Order: sequence, then C-alpha cells, then structure tokens
Amino acid sequence: DTGVSQNPRHKITKRGQNVTFRCDPISEHNRLYWYRQTLGQGPEFLTYFQNEAQLEKSRLLSDRFSAERPKGSFSTLEIQRTEQGDSAMYLCASTRVAGTTDTQYFGPGTRLTVL
Amino acid sequence: QQQVKQSPQSLIVQKGGISIINCAYENTAFDYFPWYQQFPGKGPALLIAIRPDVSEKKEGRFTISFNKSAKQFSLHIMDSQPGDSATYFCAASNDYKLSFGAGTTVTVRA
Repeated sequence: DTGVSQNPRHKITKRGQNVTFRCDPISEHNRLYWYRQTLGQGPEFLTYFQNEAQLEKSRLLSDRFSAERPKGSFSTLEIQRTEQGDSAMYLCASTRVAGTTDTQYFGPGTRLTVL
Repeated sequence: QQQVKQSPQSLIVQKGGISIINCAYENTAFDYFPWYQQFPGKGPALLIAIRPDVSEKKEGRFTISFNKSAKQFSLHIMDSQPGDSATYFCAASNDYKLSFGAGTTVTVRA
C-alpha cells in the first residue's frame, strides 16, 4: 500500500492550453474522488467514480473539465482551454466502500498555475 | 454555499497549550464528521473522525466533541507541539462526498 499518487505534482501552463492530471488510487479502492482546493480554502468536491462509473459531477465542473476512470483503476482529469481561474490544487482521494461512509485517503495533489 | 462553517481562521498557541477549533453545520443528513490535517504542499490526512451517535472521541492528544442538537463539533488538541503546526479542516459527509470547512491554521510556538 503506497498511498494515493498524483502526477504531475506541479503544472504551469499558459491560458488556453489543455492539461491532464493523473491519479493512481490505493489498490482495491473502488471509489475515487476529485477535489479542487484554492489558497486559504478547504477542498471542494468536483466528481467521483464508483469503479469506472462517474456517478456525480459538481456544478463547479464546467464543460471544459472531463474526468475518466477507464478500467476502474487510475483516473485522469483533463481541463481544456485553461483559464487563470483554474489555478488551484487538484486533489484526488480514494476509499474502499464497505458499508457506511468510509475514510477518504488523499494524494499529494497537483498544483496548477495558469499564466 | 458553505455547508460547514469553521472558526477561528487561525490561532497561535504555546507549546503544551490547548488548541480548540470549532465547526458548525446545517445539513442534518450528515452522518460522518472527520478532521483532516494538512501540511504545506501535502494533501489532507485524516486525523480523527466521529459519527453522530457519539458525543466525544479521543485519540491520543486529539479529541472531538460533538453536539448533535446544536449541530456543532470541535477539535481539541491537548499538549500542543511544534509538529502540530498545520492547517486543520473539519468536514462532514452523508454517504460519499465530503464538505469541508475553510480551515484553521494552527501555529505552535516553542
């Protein structure tokens, strides 16, 4: 068990470019979440997957954002036509659902800076 | 619309002192209340969590007090140490997604 990993850790891009982040959850964790955290704020829910199915998307997730978890293992989050307002820390978390609400384990995050 | 309100925004405590962070929520459907600790450049890490059928939970120097009728819960850090200097987030959940407070930055002075 090596924990949740995220790549890259930092990404600097120019406005209008597309970026993609990857999250590898803890093995055998069937739920995977994406959150966004801006400076001085708590993480905000973006979307989550149960295995490969994307079950909910927040209103924060505009049409420029898309997330996938093709084989129920790793997930990718893509932002198209980035805007300066997209600058934030993007956090991934995973959990193994075994009844009621279970602990979410977070990765180190990908810090995105849009110039 | 912030579903969990957290205070204070920051606090400074002397080594060995007690840090107290308070949170309040409105959604009575919440059934799981974790606290996360976050260091700069790291993701949040679970510290301690409580469910509403319990009024208090203690793990080492960390204690959660939960008041269901008032819809409030708090984190007490006893015997604060310099290594406790971090940002603490309360959160609440019903089934899957977590709603976080805005965070409290705790600074422990040696």
